[in-house]
Amino acid sequence: EVQLVESGGGLVQPGGSLRLSCAASGFTFSDHYMDWVRQAPGKGLEWVGRIRNKAYSYTTEYAASVRGRFTISRDDSKNSLYLQMNSLKTEDTAVYYCNRVRHCSGGSCPDYWGQGTLVTVSS
Amino acid sequence: DIQMTQSPSSLSASVGDRVTITCRASQDITNYLAWFQQKPGKAPKSLIYAASSLHGGVPSKFSGSGSGTEFTLTISSLQPEDFATYYCQQYKSYPLTFGGGTKVEIK
Repeated sequence: EVQLVESGGGLVQPGGSLRLSCAASGFTFSDHYMDWVRQAPGKGLEWVGRIRNKAYSYTTEYAASVRGRFTISRDDSKNSLYLQMNSLKTEDTAVYYCNRVRHCSGGSCPDYWGQGTLVTVSS
Repeated sequence: DIQMTQSPSSLSASVGDRVTITCRASQDITNYLAWFQQKPGKAPKSLIYAASSLHGGVPSKFSGSGSGTEFTLTISSLQPEDFATYYCQQYKSYPLTFGGGTKVEIK
């Protein structure tokens, strides 16, 4: 059974940093791209970024709203995905979800989602 | 960036109704379109990819269609467990973008 479990959320002051983790199990983690998606309270879904697998040199893509402040990384030996968040703003307050990405008829789309972890940026 | 526009933003329907939700892309995304279901307080669930292919375990009452810039999600016979918010997402190009969501409520 595929499982994705996020952790590391909490309350942080504006300008602060936080590192989220996503522990994966039930599949060959190293084969898959992985995404982070967030959802501000009462709002819709926002894609944060993606990390590819080793075959694609672990390259990354980011939303403009987080580029330069957030960094996605992974440790295939630990079946873990990370989101390092720096220079946090109040508008980064959201539930953060990690997604497994699969090949989808020529493209790459999410299939499994974690349960999410809440990040609150407030003074 | 590719903008995704869903309509309606909310709808009221009865159990047994056929429901259709529309998602429009601001440019041609061929069929690189996914649909998700989210219930209150829960993580989203992936329903459809490539505009019309169901992920494993998704019941056949859900169907998707469309290509280019216009897409639809149809629920053939609405059941109590289907009341939720539905989102589309394009994965044709970065940044990946979601529609604003369609909340399906009980009439």
